Amino acid sequence: EIVLTQSPGTVSLSPGERATLSCRASQSVRSGYLAWYQQKPGQAPRLLIFGASSRATGIPDRFSGSGSGTDFTLTINRLAPEDFAVYYCQQYGSSPRTFGQGTQVEIK
Amino acid sequence: QVQLVQSGAEVKKPGASVKVSCKASGYNFIGYVIHWVRQAPGQRLEWLGWINAGNGNTEYSQRSQGRVTLSSDTSANAAYMELSSLRSGDTAVYYCARVSAMVLFAFDVWGQGTLVTVSS
Repeated sequence: EIVLTQSPGTVSLSPGERATLSCRASQSVRSGYLAWYQQKPGQAPRLLIFGASSRATGIPDRFSGSGSGTDFTLTINRLAPEDFAVYYCQQYGSSPRTFGQGTQVEIK
Repeated sequence: QVQLVQSGAEVKKPGASVKVSCKASGYNFIGYVIHWVRQAPGQRLEWLGWINAGNGNTEYSQRSQGRVTLSSDTSANAAYMELSSLRSGDTAVYYCARVSAMVLFAFDVWGQGTLVTVSS
């Protein structure tokens, strides 16, 4: 099973700042099958990034993903008020599909 | 629009079973795979398994194997997740999610979630 470890656990930032979230895998993620999701309280996760670096439909270009192998990054440029949420990475290249423990982006 | 609508919250006693439904609309149901994921309070998302809505093929996580049964009804455009022998640790929000080749099989559409509470 591929274990995903996200860091930091919580990051406190102001609107307009940049957020850099890390996701490290215990084994190489096959073919870059790494996704990022945003989750707000009481809501289902929402797909932001798939294939490590491709934005899903309707996702603003301030969100970008990068990385390969075992190290992946989600960058949010110019944080908007609606971006304060929990972010999860997920690998879906092998079974079982696994998720990281999440990074909370909170307002400073 | 494309959406998955899940059944309502459930309260069950330990040892009972629960069946959660996930009704699809806005797309060709039989052409996609549906995954099930749960989120216990304060825990990370946990993948339970998937079902091919068209042919009924399934795969389960090792942890859910034996207690989770996934099924689909193409006439109702619905997928189902049944969890048996419930215990307090099964208290969680259960989600269904569609995967699509358009997003390299990431989970592109999610149901709204169904809270299952197990309590005596």
